[in-house]
Amino acid sequence: DTGVSQNPRHKITKRGQNVTFRCDPISEHNRLYWYRQTLGQGPEFLTYFQNEAQLEKSRLLSDRFSAERPKGSFSTLEIQRTEQGDSAMYLCAAGGLYEQYFGPGTRLTVT
Amino acid sequence: GESVGLHLPTLSVQEGDNSIINCAYSNSASDYFIWYKQESGKGPQFIIDIRSNMDKRQGQRVTVLLNKTVKHLSLQIAATQPGDSAVYFCAENFGNEKLTFGTGTRLTIIP
Repeated sequence: DTGVSQNPRHKITKRGQNVTFRCDPISEHNRLYWYRQTLGQGPEFLTYFQNEAQLEKSRLLSDRFSAERPKGSFSTLEIQRTEQGDSAMYLCAAGGLYEQYFGPGTRLTVT
Repeated sequence: GESVGLHLPTLSVQEGDNSIINCAYSNSASDYFIWYKQESGKGPQFIIDIRSNMDKRQGQRVTVLLNKTVKHLSLQIAATQPGDSAVYFCAENFGNEKLTFGTGTRLTIIP
């Protein structure tokens, strides 16, 4: 158990709808990361937070994506106007400067 | 751009034998490497890490070797068990927080 939980585990949505995912890490991890993983590929970095500050965003994170970590604890990732290309596993990881421990992911399917 | 790649996409090993999974990286500035195990439908599970000032590190049944001269990383799993069947990823960090993953090697343990 990595101490990182994600909800929901699965989400099916229609194209054009908005979706929001949540990540809850254990309290001692001040860094929180979001990655996206498509079938057969390794995870790709999206963004990360140190406490409540969002410090880096990948160019993969289009303006339809937004992430927050309001109190430096849990984080949310919202995708607006979903597209079929957004179908993927969205992974949250938490840890220190180097080591990162992943949650189980949220599998998004856009129909 | 920088990339982390794997030599073999699939590997089949007899139960009880040792397995070796290889990984090539291209960024000579990388200072930290992690091996992850990912089972179907789950998030990546941290196995072992190694810093660039080391060339070998051992864990329980696993050993990671780092050859900076040829930019090569390997994961050795001793006495493989059915539960070792999974996709294995190497990931690198060159001091900028995010991990860069390769595409993974699928390890199958033959009973």
